[in-house]
Amino acid sequence: AQKITQTQPGMFVQEKEAVTLDCTYDTSDQSYGLFWYKQPSSGEMIFLIYQGSYDEQNATEGRYSLNFQKARKSANLVISASQLGDSAMYFCAMRGTSDSNYQLIWGAGTKLIIKP
Amino acid sequence: NAGVTQTPKFQVLKTGQSMTLQCAQDMNHEYMSWYRQDPGMGLRLIHYSVGAGITDQGEVPNGYNVSRSTTEDFPLRLLSAAPSQTSVYFCASRTGFFSADTQYFGPGTRLTVL
Repeated sequence: AQKITQTQPGMFVQEKEAVTLDCTYDTSDQSYGLFWYKQPSSGEMIFLIYQGSYDEQNATEGRYSLNFQKARKSANLVISASQLGDSAMYFCAMRGTSDSNYQLIWGAGTKLIIKP
Repeated sequence: NAGVTQTPKFQVLKTGQSMTLQCAQDMNHEYMSWYRQDPGMGLRLIHYSVGAGITDQGEVPNGYNVSRSTTEDFPLRLLSAAPSQTSVYFCASRTGFFSADTQYFGPGTRLTVL
């Protein structure tokens, strides 16, 4: 069965420091995609970054990068130079290909609080 | 471009009442889903649709019905509300069926069942 694990329920980080949010996954699929979403206190889900299992380079989107270590089955989100507006819940999700309808599997999330 | 819209934003029901959560998207996406989000948990899939007239159950379908008569609309019906259905409900849509396809979310409906 596919599974996403986020082991950090909450994190406090000083503003301007870099942040790493952990995500490990379990799948027997050869082809899969990994996603990170941000959920601010207002409640909406915001797509941040995507990594494909066959992508050789780590994905980057502005201040966000995904540290993809395939052998370890980890897909950690790195936020460089954190800002107060980064305070939010962050969810890691995976979509495999063994499910013919390509369902997203979600982790429980990490609550990130940026301290001024 | 409205994206994915949901109504209402908040709702309070009494046990046993029924209601419909509305979801619409204007991106011509074939794939639409309903999730619920409970405290301390990730999103759980309730029902999904891969096109007009086609729906299927997700991980937690009991107590909910869906229909998809048009590409744009995907309403979620609570048949007889129970306190266990107190949650935040998200509707989402995406372009297709490949791993890389990004999912777009509505703003959510916060439902309380007393």
